[in-house]
Order: sequence, then C-alpha cells, then structure tokens
Amino acid sequence: NAGVTQTPKFQVLKTGQSMTLQCAQDMNHEYMSWYRQDPGMGLRLIHYSVGAGITDQGEVPNGYNVSRSTTEDFPLRLLSAAPSQTSVYFCASSSGTGQNQPQHFGDGTRLSIL
Amino acid sequence: AQSVAQPEDQVNVAEGNPLTVKCTYSVSGNPYLFWYVQYPNRGLQFLLKYITGDNLVKGSYGFEAEFNKSQTSFHLKKPSALVSDSALYFCAVRDRTLILTGGGNKLTFGTGTQLKVEL
Repeated sequence: NAGVTQTPKFQVLKTGQSMTLQCAQDMNHEYMSWYRQDPGMGLRLIHYSVGAGITDQGEVPNGYNVSRSTTEDFPLRLLSAAPSQTSVYFCASSSGTGQNQPQHFGDGTRLSIL
Repeated sequence: AQSVAQPEDQVNVAEGNPLTVKCTYSVSGNPYLFWYVQYPNRGLQFLLKYITGDNLVKGSYGFEAEFNKSQTSFHLKKPSALVSDSALYFCAVRDRTLILTGGGNKLTFGTGTQLKVEL
C-alpha cells in the first residue's frame, strides 16, 4: 500500500548544482502536483499535471522543470539550485482531473541549498 | 486570483473542550473547499471537503466544517478536542468555475494553523 513515494527524503546541495526529486504513485491517479512548504507560507504550488504529457505552472514555477511521461511518475528538476530553494517539497496525487477529489501526499523531501 | 486566509497561527484548547480553526476564502466563481492535517515530518492528510449540497460537512476523526457562502468561510470544528488532535491544519480552495473556463486547475492552501490541545 505504497501510495505516493518521494525520494530522496533528505538532500544537501551546493549553489548551482542540479538535481531531480522523484515522485511515484501506484494509484493510477491522473492528477499530480508539486508543492514547497516554507515556514509561515503554507504550501505553494510549483507545477501540476492533469495526465501524462500535460503539465502546467503553479504559483512559483521559476527555477523548476517538470515532465510527465507516464501516469505513475512526476519528477521535479532543479536546474541550478539557489539558497532560496531550501524548503520541504511535497508531491501529491488525486484521481480523475483532481477537481473535487482529495490529494494524497508523500512524506516530503527536505532540501538544503548551501 | 483565488486565495485562502487562516487568521490564527496557533489555537490553544483544553482537552474535552470544543475547537474551531478558522478559514476564509476568495474565488471568482464557486469553490471546492478542503481541510488537511499535517503531523510532524509527514505529508498532509485529507480530513474533509465541501463540494456542493449540505453546508455542514463531516469528516475523519470527528471533525466537521461549515460552509458559509455569504461570509466566504469554511471553519473547522470538533465538539470535544483530544490531545492527539494537536497538529498543523491547512485549509485549501479550488475555483471550480475557473477550471470549467480553462483558467487552470490549481489548489491553493492557507498558511496553516497550529492546534495545541492540552490536558
């Protein structure tokens, strides 16, 4: 009963490095999304996808890329890490187009940029 | 643009007393509304949602919420708080009219309210 799996759980990067945060779900959900959580700011939407091959920007997309080649996977790429991207990143998925369905969250990736 | 406000950073309540966590929202059309709970070092967990119909919605763990369109509010309530309810609570909104008109399918969260239930 895996649900939404995020890897890695922790990561430390140097400024300018790139990396990919992995997200996989085994519930055959069409809708997937990435959020970042920062103290006092709640969760902010980075990118989302309503199905394989379809992605769209959220509130804070700059510095991040996504792609959705399969229903199961939705990786988030940091192109050139900056200290401002230090955060906890959550991936979530929901059934259908996600409009009125609850989202299932992974346990997060804690990312520090030095 | 859609938005959510949770005016209280922290709510303290004694075990056994009723609790309320406040949420107000702003959308251009009609809302889908959600409450989530987050325990330390975990992802968010769904509690309840308002889609349409009855304004009083019941959810997991004895929680309920009342949709008030005139006040654009969706406050979370529980008649008798437990110490184990202590956690971070998030309200979230989707503008279903925006979705229908091709304006995007985005879920917007509030900044969260820390609930502390004490003996």
